[in-house]
Amino acid sequence: KQEVTQIPAALSVPEGENLVLNCSFTDSAIYNLQWFRQDPGKGLTSLLLIQSSQREQTSGRLNASLDKSSGRSTLYIAASQPGDSATYLCAVRRHSGNTGKLIFGQGTTLQVKP
Amino acid sequence: EAGVAQSPRYKIIEKRQSVAFWCNPISGHATLYWYQQILGQGPKLLIQFQNNGVVDDSQLPKDRFSAERLKGVDSTLKIQPAKLEDSAVYLCASSLERNPSYNEQFFGPGTRLTVL
Repeated sequence: KQEVTQIPAALSVPEGENLVLNCSFTDSAIYNLQWFRQDPGKGLTSLLLIQSSQREQTSGRLNASLDKSSGRSTLYIAASQPGDSATYLCAVRRHSGNTGKLIFGQGTTLQVKP
Repeated sequence: EAGVAQSPRYKIIEKRQSVAFWCNPISGHATLYWYQQILGQGPKLLIQFQNNGVVDDSQLPKDRFSAERLKGVDSTLKIQPAKLEDSAVYLCASSLERNPSYNEQFFGPGTRLTVL
């Protein structure tokens, strides 16, 4: 059974700091991994999607890496801003079957202080 | 391109009452998902539709939850009767291709349900 864990559960940093969010998964047989952002009371916004054959994806100040063999992904945020404050969720899509079910971690709540 | 639409945004009911949520996916998206997100946890899939057929409902509490996607477009999720533990945000998502394992899911704003 696939399990996804995110550490830390919460993180508070001063503005301008570079930071790394961690995601680990127990079954390395995945199709892809997706990072989402969730603002309070809102739905999920997709940030980056990494296919299983890829090692990393970049979008602006965000960089996500994937190491399938070790069951790990990291989301790197450069030069953090108060507007980055939100909950960040990672999710993996399993390898077998025709279902596109995402298995989510519990999220990391980030606070960036001005 | 319009996103995934959901209504209502908020709902408060008493236990043992019934409630229904509505979702309209992005136009042309064949696959539709309903997720349940309990406070402090990641979303958990309840049911997945491919067009108007059910692909996965293994985690749907079928004694009280039901969902349908008539005509393969919009969908409704119903809870009857509701329990206190059903308090959560119900998220709808959709994706484009026939092989959903490869494709990105787009989420709606969710419906926040409070059961008193």
